[in-house]
Amino acid sequence: ETGVTQTPRHLVMGMTNKKSLKCEQHLGHNAMYWYKQSAKKPLELMFVYSLEERVENNSVPSRFSPECPNSSHLFLHLHTLQPEDSALYLCASSPDRARYEQYFGPGTRLTVT
Amino acid sequence: EDQVTQSPEALRLQEGESSSLNCSYTVSGLRGLFWYRQDPGKGPEFLFTLYSAGEEKEKERLKATLTKKESFLHITAPKPEDSATYLCAVQAGVRDKIIFGKGTRLHILP
Repeated sequence: ETGVTQTPRHLVMGMTNKKSLKCEQHLGHNAMYWYKQSAKKPLELMFVYSLEERVENNSVPSRFSPECPNSSHLFLHLHTLQPEDSALYLCASSPDRARYEQYFGPGTRLTVT
Repeated sequence: EDQVTQSPEALRLQEGESSSLNCSYTVSGLRGLFWYRQDPGKGPEFLFTLYSAGEEKEKERLKATLTKKESFLHITAPKPEDSATYLCAVQAGVRDKIIFGKGTRLHILP
């Protein structure tokens, strides 16, 4: 595997379910990110991890819970979601947090029913 | 308020018809400006980073430029495979805040 991978690619879940999104980067980067992409809206940065420490949390509801067990893996745990949470969730990594371009995974298309 | 605005929202060009996409920004302490390309159903793909006014970067038919208020992505003699959404992002401030624009959907007609 190369680059940034995300699983699953598609997920349909009910509002009472609990699920997790997984991201893995094979680039040796130190920073990882979760983004939400909705139609007609700019990419919304949700969480930033640098060297496995959460350094940014942009007022994201507590029903989204990130986890970064090591510098190569990032999870987004989901519970009690709302229909408006349906979106494309993108993971990205960069060599460092500042002044570096990001490399994105293909995303997980999430539908909340 | 920090803001990134991209224009136009959508652009249709004939193959070979050159044009420019605009990204204007109002932020305090620009640390870097980034251009990405996104194809349908895929994550954004990095194109360029620009750090200071006057800087230019080129890659095949694309050229990115930066001033103190905006960046342009010039597309010369585009081909249908250049059709995609082009995203602009800035990183700014002491906290390295990242802000994306809404993107420009580019469609090149054969």
